[in-house]
Amino acid sequence: KNQVEQSPQSLIILEGKNCTLQCNYTVSPFSNLRWYKQDTGRGPVSLTIMTFSENTKSNGRYTATLDADTKQSSLHITASQLSDSASYICVVSARGNNRLAFGKGNQVVVIP
Amino acid sequence: DVKVTQSSRYLVKRTGEKVFLECVQDMDHENMFWYRQDPGLGLRLIYFSYDVKMKEKGDIPEGYSVSREKKERFSLILESASTNQTSMYLCASLLGQGTEQYFGPGTRLTVT
Repeated sequence: KNQVEQSPQSLIILEGKNCTLQCNYTVSPFSNLRWYKQDTGRGPVSLTIMTFSENTKSNGRYTATLDADTKQSSLHITASQLSDSASYICVVSARGNNRLAFGKGNQVVVIP
Repeated sequence: DVKVTQSSRYLVKRTGEKVFLECVQDMDHENMFWYRQDPGLGLRLIYFSYDVKMKEKGDIPEGYSVSREKKERFSLILESASTNQTSMYLCASLLGQGTEQYFGPGTRLTVT
């Protein structure tokens, strides 16, 4: 079973609208959680990285939240733009281990 | 600014050929990784290296080998390419736990 589950698998949103992506994980002991944005045909690019003590972190119109007790994270995109069309990947790291657990990604399509 | 570069963006090889994928990072990172990414499966770890000449198998090492002769360079080798190795290959580097993992632009390999 995958240690990182993301939902929804894909979604289509209208330009200017907000959306929220979910990530649930079972990785333990927890070290940090990262959200990446991956444009089609490109490598992933980091949006945020959060440790156990951080509840929220923003990067422009992207805001990530973390609840380490329930092992859930979300990525909120505000006022979406066409350039937000991409796959968003949740990645979790365990303490004492440089290997990362990857979700399969949320595919977001923003339409005008 | 960290840079991870990969030798080719697109590669087409024939079944049975030996294939070399090269990755170079310029930030003196200890850890380097090779992933493959397939639709619906997300990123899967093939091999990683935590130091020069050191390597560890990831989740799907079969059919692949790696070489790390210098700290900045990590090579992925397909000894005898097969059609099921058609995929997007991503290289990444990481300084240490809790730090950012940086990805290269990816190599789309097609084996015919």
